[in-house]
Amino acid sequence: KQEVTQIPAALSVPEGENLVLNCSFTDSAIYNLQWFRQDPGKGLTSLLLIQSSQREQTSGRLNASLDKSSGRSTLYIAASQPGDSATYLCAVTDQAGTALIFGKGTTLSVSS
Amino acid sequence: DAGITQSPRHKVTETGTPVTLRCHQTENHRYMYWYRQDPGHGLRLIHYSYGVKDTDKGEVSDGYSVSRSKTEDFLLTLESATSSQTSVYFCAISVWGDTGELFFGEGSRLTVL
Repeated sequence: KQEVTQIPAALSVPEGENLVLNCSFTDSAIYNLQWFRQDPGKGLTSLLLIQSSQREQTSGRLNASLDKSSGRSTLYIAASQPGDSATYLCAVTDQAGTALIFGKGTTLSVSS
Repeated sequence: DAGITQSPRHKVTETGTPVTLRCHQTENHRYMYWYRQDPGHGLRLIHYSYGVKDTDKGEVSDGYSVSRSKTEDFLLTLESATSSQTSVYFCAISVWGDTGELFFGEGSRLTVL
């Protein structure tokens, strides 16, 4: 059974700092991996999608990498801002596309 | 927002009453999902659909049923609501067959007293 783990569960950093969020999964037979952002009381916003054949994706200050063989992904946030404060979730889709399995998230707080 | 609308957005009900949550999409995607989100458990899949009248169970399907009579609508029904079903429910659609990217609705907060 696929399990997704995110470390740390919470992270507090000062504005301007570069940071890395970690995601690990137990079964490397995935179709893709997605990173989401969730603000309190809101839905999930897709940030980056990495197909299983890809190594990384970039969007603005965000860069996500995928190492399928080791079951790991990282989300790198450059020059963090208070507006980046949110919960970040990673999720993997199995190869049948039947479900997205989520980690429990990392809650990020960026102070000004 | 990928054209996903959930209704109602908030509902308070009593134990034992039936509840139906609706997910409506304006696109024509085949795959639709219902998740629940709870503190300490994260997001868990309840049911999903891969086409009209084609549905399957997820990780936490007990106590829930679904129906999909039209491509654009996916209904989640709690036949007899229990307090353990107090949660935030999210609908999602997948661009499966393409990138497989998932897009979520804004959520429906259900409280069962």
